[in-house]
Amino acid sequence: DVKVTQSSRYLVKRTGEKVFLECVQDMDHENMFWYRQDPGLGLRLIYFSYDVKMKEKGDIPEGYSVSREKKERFSLILESASTNQTSMYLCATLTDMNTEAFFGQGTRLTVV
Amino acid sequence: AQTVTQSQPEMSVQEAETVTLSCTYDTSESDYYLFWYKQPPSRQMILVIRQEAYKQQNATENRFSVNFQKAAKSFSLKISDSQLGDAAMYFCAIPTWGNKLVFGAGTILRVKS
Repeated sequence: DVKVTQSSRYLVKRTGEKVFLECVQDMDHENMFWYRQDPGLGLRLIYFSYDVKMKEKGDIPEGYSVSREKKERFSLILESASTNQTSMYLCATLTDMNTEAFFGQGTRLTVV
Repeated sequence: AQTVTQSQPEMSVQEAETVTLSCTYDTSESDYYLFWYKQPPSRQMILVIRQEAYKQQNATENRFSVNFQKAAKSFSLKISDSQLGDAAMYFCAIPTWGNKLVFGAGTILRVKS
């Protein structure tokens, strides 16, 4: 059974903290994505990666960075967390032929 | 830029009835996939149905079917014999040039018993 695992389901952090959200996949997919999900706005793409050490900005990259040192792991970094980054974060992979996307269970991040 | 538009923020359906969720998209590619994903309260995204753009036949998966109109760039989801377990957020999505996966804003489906 394919798996995309996010390191935390719920997270509470303080304003100004550096936050790491980890995502690990066991399917050897090249394409990985980080989205944030907010009511009425759907899934907005933050960053995506199509290979190790490769990354591309999505639609809302400001305030975020990413790291992909190994194919199976894609990390989202909030350099200095702010309250407007309180949201649901979803990690996803896409098969190499674009036939299906697989998702983690989501991390609900609250910044106080 | 590729976009996906879901114009219905919320829909309601009576149990056992049929409901259709709308999706329109914009792409310059000629061959692509389109997806409908379901997100129940558990938050886990589940693939409902997939359509290949070069196939003229509409995809069907049990009670779920699509009406794919390539020229109109429309991809609606029909749920027949609605069940309480169908209540969820539904997202339309398309992978685009550069393997960027784009989603619509979602439609909340409520099922009344």
